[in-house]
Amino acid sequence: GQNIDQPTEMTATEGAIVQINCTYQTSGFNGLFWYQQHAGEAPTFLSYNVLDGLEEKGRFSSFLSRSKGYSYLLLKELQMKDSASYLCAVKKNRDDKIIFGKGTRLHILP
Amino acid sequence: EAQVTQNPRYLITVTGKKLTVTCSQNMNHEYMSWYRQDPGLGLRQIYYSMNVEVTDKGDVPEGYKVSRKEKRNFPLILESPSPNQTSLYFCASRPGTGEPYEQYFGPGTRLTVT
Repeated sequence: GQNIDQPTEMTATEGAIVQINCTYQTSGFNGLFWYQQHAGEAPTFLSYNVLDGLEEKGRFSSFLSRSKGYSYLLLKELQMKDSASYLCAVKKNRDDKIIFGKGTRLHILP
Repeated sequence: EAQVTQNPRYLITVTGKKLTVTCSQNMNHEYMSWYRQDPGLGLRQIYYSMNVEVTDKGDVPEGYKVSRKEKRNFPLILESPSPNQTSLYFCASRPGTGEPYEQYFGPGTRLTVT
């Protein structure tokens, strides 16, 4: 089977740091996406990890451990506009078959 | 402007009346996909295409058809819509194999089947 788990909701404070975890069990793994989706809008791409380790992109970083089936998205210096859902997704193979987790809704408090 | 467009953005229809949702991208991307998004279930891939005339099933293909006759267009066809196909639909595209991996999503089509 295949399963991608992430917390349903998280709350953090403006200016703080938050880590959103994602664990996966899939029949095949080619890479892992993170997307941001504001309410009522389309998802927007944040990162794609193929190899183990941390990739940093401005205030956002994404980490992958393939042996543990684990990834996290780290958001620093939180801003109110970071209030959104964050979607973890696995690309299973060389084809473009992509499986999404159910998303984590992040609330930012002032 | 680089974009993915979908039409219509909103549609209310009745059970059994065939409909097509169009998707077009102007970025010369090879890969295109259709997803549906439902509360509590997240995004689920319906079909994907890796090039013209090359399509394959995603996780929830039942009740849907697609075609890829031209690189820029990837229409989603519901031959006989049913109420359980009421959903928010997104089309997406990305360049192809290798970097960049960014996938661009269209604005979404909200479909209601009564």
